[in-house]
Amino acid sequence: QSVLTQPPSVSGAPGQRVTISCTGSSSNIGAGYDVHWYQQLPGTAPKLLIYGNNKRPSGVPDRFSVSKSGTSASLAITGLQAEDEADYYCQSYDSGLSGFWVFGGGTKLTVL
Amino acid sequence: QLQLQESGPGLVRPSETLSLTCTVSGGSITSSNYDWGWIRQPPGKGLEYIGSIYYSGSTYYNPSLKSRVTMSVDPSKNQFALRLSSVTAADAAVYYCARCPPTSRDGFDVWGQGKMVSVSS
Repeated sequence: QSVLTQPPSVSGAPGQRVTISCTGSSSNIGAGYDVHWYQQLPGTAPKLLIYGNNKRPSGVPDRFSVSKSGTSASLAITGLQAEDEADYYCQSYDSGLSGFWVFGGGTKLTVL
Repeated sequence: QLQLQESGPGLVRPSETLSLTCTVSGGSITSSNYDWGWIRQPPGKGLEYIGSIYYSGSTYYNPSLKSRVTMSVDPSKNQFALRLSSVTAADAAVYYCARCPPTSRDGFDVWGQGKMVSVSS
């Protein structure tokens, strides 16, 4: 059971816009901690996709963007491309009992 | 370019101790203000933070695993290590080492390729 909740799967056609939600609680996202997103291609390690306030590591296109409201955050992907098909994970900090890094359960994006 | 590489046995017997090492190259484990961490991913499942260690040896462990986890660091070898005791089938996973975020405004920006560890007699 992941601390952050994501939908198991989303899909979209090439060129479309899709969003992936990430729901937390008052001890993580709701407490104002940033949400970070990772992309994991099959058989590879997760790659940091977006962090902080819409900051993208070098090489990540601006088709990827994030938003946050209350205890939830969302990753938006515009102009969907075949190479975007992957698993996506959200991550934040939790100030609960002991405080530590927490992840979502992951969302499989299928490009139709 | 900073790189991390996990190494260790790919098979551990139930009730025994899982031991993995992460070797850091392209940079010093003592440089900058980073902790170094372990994250695991059971087959077909999500990511779980196990814990992290600073080069001075100070550690932080996920409360759910704290009783079974020990981390250590060897700055002279630019390595840090994970030991997980009393393993069960539930501990079978890909284990990643990663550079931890320096603040909550940052993410895990450098990852190893991962080491698959199976648990079986």
